[in-house]
Amino acid sequence: EVQLVQSGAEVKKPGNSLKISCKGSGYKFTSHYIGWVRQMPGKGLEWMGFIYPDDSDTTYSPSFQGQVTILVDKSISTAYLQWSSLKASDTAMYYCARLLGAGHHAFFDYWGQGTLVTVSS
Amino acid sequence: EIVLTQSPGTLSLSPGERATLSCRTSQSVSSRYLAWYQQKPGQAPRLLIYGASSRATGIPDRFSGSGSGTDFTLTITRLEPEDFAVYYCQQYGSSPPHTFGQGTKLEIK
Repeated sequence: EVQLVQSGAEVKKPGNSLKISCKGSGYKFTSHYIGWVRQMPGKGLEWMGFIYPDDSDTTYSPSFQGQVTILVDKSISTAYLQWSSLKASDTAMYYCARLLGAGHHAFFDYWGQGTLVTVSS
Repeated sequence: EIVLTQSPGTLSLSPGERATLSCRTSQSVSSRYLAWYQQKPGQAPRLLIYGASSRATGIPDRFSGSGSGTDFTLTITRLEPEDFAVYYCQQYGSSPPHTFGQGTKLEIK
């Protein structure tokens, strides 16, 4: 069974750093891109970027380029989303999801349960 | 970046009725690279349709997708109580970002 299990909710202050995780199991982790999606409170889904675990090839949405870093440790089948300096506007639910398809033309077929990040002073 | 516009914003229907949700893209989506997702409150999204018309594993056949180019439709025949949720379309045919529509809320009338 394919599963993506994300790390727990976080409460941070503006300016703090943060790394949340997404551990894949039940499939060959290095064969599928892993993507990240943001959902701000009461809002829709925003595509952030994805990473190919086998070679760490990463693509970002222009909206998120330079704002976050997507990382992977294929030895433990885990992808990460990292911030170096959080802002209140980073408050959101963050989902990781596995991609299925051909190269970059891929859709999200399995999703993690989400990690709620709250940034407040 | 391709912009996806979903309509209507909210759709109010009764169980047993038919729902038709629209997704229009600002540029033609190549090879029908369009997906639909369902999201219920407090849950992660779930894949319903990919390739514009292929149902994902385990999705009931009352869900169907159609369309090409810039106009796509998700149809739900005979609405069940568990179908009331928010639905998003997503294109993955262009270079990234693979944008989502803003969502259609399907609510019980």
